[in-house]
Formats: sequence, C-alpha cells, structure tokens
Amino acid sequence: NAGVTQTPKFQVLKTGQSMTLQCAQDMNHNSMYWYRQDPGMGLRLIYYSASEGTTDKGEVPNGYNVSRLNKREFSLRLESAAPSQTSVYFCASGARDWPQYFGPGTRLLVL
Amino acid sequence: TQLLEQSPQFLSIQEGENLTVYCNSSSVFSSLQWYRQEPGEGPVLLVTVVTGGEVKKLKRLTFQFGDARKDSSLHITAAQPGDTGLYLCAGGNDYKLSFGAGTTVTVRA
Repeated sequence: NAGVTQTPKFQVLKTGQSMTLQCAQDMNHNSMYWYRQDPGMGLRLIYYSASEGTTDKGEVPNGYNVSRLNKREFSLRLESAAPSQTSVYFCASGARDWPQYFGPGTRLLVL
Repeated sequence: TQLLEQSPQFLSIQEGENLTVYCNSSSVFSSLQWYRQEPGEGPVLLVTVVTGGEVKKLKRLTFQFGDARKDSSLHITAAQPGDTGLYLCAGGNDYKLSFGAGTTVTVRA
C-alpha cells in the first residue's frame, strides 16, 4: 500500500518550458487535490477533482491545467513555466471532501 | 490574505511542558482539520472535527472546535521531542480547504 505517490521529486525548468507532475493513489479515494506550498503562506489549493471525470478550480489555478485520468491518477500541467511557479507541489487524496493523505511533494525551481 | 490565522507562529518549549496552538477565522466551516508536517515531507492528517463544541483526544493531543465552527485549538500535554514539527490547521466547505500559515513547534530535550 503506497498511499499517494508523486513524480518527479525534484525538477528544474527554464522560464517558458512545460512539464507535467504526476500523482497516483491506491486507496480508491474519490477526491484528489493539487496544492502548492510557499514559505509563510501555507498550502494553497490549485485544482481539485471531487470524483473521476470532474475537475474544478481552487484558489490559485492560473497557469495550471489538470487531468483526472482515472480514479487513481490526477496530473498537473504547467504549459509555460514562470519563476512565480517555483514552489513545492503536493498532491493529496481523500474519501470525503477534504484531503486525508498527502504525497511527499515535488520541489520545482523555475529559472 | 490568510483566511485562517494561526498563533503563535513559533513556539519553543522544554520537554514535559504543555502547549496550545490557536486557529481563528471569521468564516464558518463545515469541517476543520489539523495536520502535522515534518521538513521535506507532506502534511499528515491528525484529526478532523465537524461539530461545533466538539473535543477530540489523540493520546496527549486535545483538539477543540469552537461552538460557532470558526475557530479551533490544539493542546499538547507533556510535550516530547517527537512532537516537533509544523502544525497546520485547515478549514473548508465542499472540497475547498483553506490552510493557515502554520505554527512551528520545537520541543527541546
């Protein structure tokens, strides 16, 4: 039972490059989430998926897109990375309408 | 603007002492969560409270949800070095959880 897994663990991008962060959970949870964490600002919700086939914007969705590929997988895409997107990104899943389990995070640096 | 205000921001105490962390908001939440996060890792859910006035105990940790469901507190009795970490409160409605900035707790041996 791996819980919530994220890839990659670390990434360095140049401004304008694109990338996809992958997330998978093996707990059969309906809801999945993407958060970013910046110093002094707590975690902020980027997008969430209440169930397979649905996605909705959170607090800071600009510059991001998501795909709920199936019940297990929820990916986050940066189409044209900007330095302001330098952050630690966490994926999470839950059986109800809040995140119960978080992944280990992806540390992204945009130069 | 932080929807949830946590205080204090930092707390350093000696092993065996008690501590309380506060989480306040002007918004009403259908549920409130407390998480603990250690450096380089994701947050770990400690407790969820959903009923105003609810008190939950988890070993030496006591969580209280305010009657109006706008605030909460976390009390640790006889803190141990293993309690060191970043404590985050989060409140939400319908999947949209807002997090406080966190309280960094350091317990010295």
